[in-house]
Parts: sequence; structure tokens; C-alpha cells
Amino acid sequence: QQQVKQSPQSLIVQKGGISIINCAYENTAFDYFPWYQQFPGKGPALLIAIRPDVSEKKEGRFTISFNKSAKQFSLHIMDSQPGDSATYFCAAKAETSGSRLTFGEGTQLTVNP
Amino acid sequence: GAVVSQHPSRVICKSGTSVKIECRSLDFQATTMFWYRQFPKQSLMLMATSNEGSKATYEQGVEKDKFLINHASLTLSTLTVTSAHPEDSSFYICSASRGTGEKLFFGSGTQLSVL
Repeated sequence: QQQVKQSPQSLIVQKGGISIINCAYENTAFDYFPWYQQFPGKGPALLIAIRPDVSEKKEGRFTISFNKSAKQFSLHIMDSQPGDSATYFCAAKAETSGSRLTFGEGTQLTVNP
Repeated sequence: GAVVSQHPSRVICKSGTSVKIECRSLDFQATTMFWYRQFPKQSLMLMATSNEGSKATYEQGVEKDKFLINHASLTLSTLTVTSAHPEDSSFYICSASRGTGEKLFFGSGTQLSVL
């Protein structure tokens, strides 16, 4: 019940295209859903996050869509750029778990020029 | 955003030696710090949770005596890999939060290679 399932495992997109990464969860106690971006040899960096009281959050080219009833959330990267090539992790946290995050398996995104 | 500094970024050591990795919150007091291990092309695996002034809580399967964690101050946590062996080679990452439920900020990671 603590798992967060992420797909796809890898994704190749052309420059200017839309990258979409999906995550699903089971634990209805999760109330915070961040996305992290990780470049090789670096730690993850918080990209954008959402709480279940809204269905969508947009920050620049990055948008999270959240479907509470389906227990799914996704990251959309608009106008994808080669510099977006990285590994993306979704995560989830329950209020009762403090700051402890449950991570998805990760998606290796490659944006071709 | 808050800054978490992790040092060293890369360390190579001989089998049997001990290695210490430092994690510092530079501009905030971190009541909780987390230590993760990450293998290539895999997700982050939580090793332990450390709270300032108390013993760390280790995840199941993580050897407490091999991975010593100290969180002696609100800005510093250390992970010591004792008697390191080649199978301990991995990417180790720390994260810190200001308090319960607060956002997590990650260090830049430490690549440990044990020869």
C-alpha cells in the first residue's frame, strides 16, 4: 500500500514535444505529491508538487495533473528541451509519515534535438 | 529554496576502510535528515531517518553497525560506512527538512567506490 508505481521506465521525445510521465498510488492517506528531477551524479531537485485539493498545477513548462478518484497523477513537460533530459521521480507523502517520501521507480527522459 | 550540502561528492577507498559522508543544511535547521542509497538506473532506497539528538531509525535490512548515522546538531548529519566492501559501492544521498511535513531538500550525493 505504500508503493508508488511510475511509468514509463524510459521515454524518448523530440525537441518541442510533450513529455508525459504517470504515477499511481494506493495509499489514500497520501496528501502531498512532488516530482523530482535528477541529473546523472547529482541529487534529486524538487520540480513541482501538488496537494489533492487541486486537480492541476502549472509552473512554467511543467504541469501536474491529479486525479484523486483514480489515485493517479502525472507530470507533463511542454515544449520539451534537450536540457530536460534527466531522470524524473514522482513521490508521495502522508501527513502521518512526517517528511518521509515514497518514491516511484523513476523515468529516464531523453529529449532529442 | 533551502540548501543542503553533501561532502565529499566522490570517494574511492580500499576494502576494509571506513568512509564518512557529511550532510549539512546551510541555511536552515534540519530536525530530520534522511539517508538514501541509489544504484544505477534505480530509485532512491531509504536507509535511515535521523532526528537531531536521537538515535537513527534504520529501514529493514539496513545494517546499523555498518552504516553509522550521527545527527549531533540541527545542521549536520553524518553517515559512516564502516569496513567498506565492494558491494557497498553506490551513490549515497542525504535529504533534510525543517520539520515534520516540510519539504525535503536533497544533497548532491556521494559516489562511493570501494576497491
